[in-house]
Amino acid sequence: QVQLVQSGAEVKKPGASVKLSCKVSGGDFSKYFIHWVRQAPGQGLEWMGWINAGIGNTRYSQKFQGRASITRDASATTVYVEMSSLRGDDTAVFFCARGGQGLGRPFFNWGQGSLVSVSS
Amino acid sequence: ETLLTQSPGTLSLSPGERATLSCRASQTIAASYLAWYQQKPGQSPTLLIYGTSTRASDIPDRFSGSGSGTDFTLTISRLEPEDFAVYYCHHYGDSQLPFGGGTKVEI
Repeated sequence: QVQLVQSGAEVKKPGASVKLSCKVSGGDFSKYFIHWVRQAPGQGLEWMGWINAGIGNTRYSQKFQGRASITRDASATTVYVEMSSLRGDDTAVFFCARGGQGLGRPFFNWGQGSLVSVSS
Repeated sequence: ETLLTQSPGTLSLSPGERATLSCRASQTIAASYLAWYQQKPGQSPTLLIYGTSTRASDIPDRFSGSGSGTDFTLTISRLEPEDFAVYYCHHYGDSQLPFGGGTKVEI
């Protein structure tokens, strides 16, 4: 059973950066694509991007290209997302989610979410 | 980029009734790459259906999916109290992986 456990809530000021983590346990980390999804308060789900946990290549949503960076530490089976130049409308819950072995697979497992609050 | 439009925004029904949720794509998408998720307040989304009509593990058979081309449907045959939630469709077969805006199923 694959489990994804995310880091805790963060409070940041506008203009700052935040780095969230997602620890993946169970299964073969190197075979998965791990995605990040953002959800603003009361709003829907926004796909941000993915990382191939095996080789570390990434792809981003056009909306988040250049402002989000997804990385991984294979030895720690952990994936990270860093968001820069935070604004008030970046206040949201960020989820990591496990895709399958390869692209073109749905999101089978989700982390519990990490709340990021951006306020001066 | 494919846009997904869900309707209605809110569906008001009673337990035991049938729910029909729609997801329309801005261009034709392969049925293999359309999923539905359920999200309850304060919780993470859960995969319900993938490949348009395949139920995920442990999903009861009152949930079913259908469709092709640009029009896809999630049907809940008889609503149980625990089914009142928000449902999202999702296209995962392209370089961009959009979600629909969601349909809230409320009592």
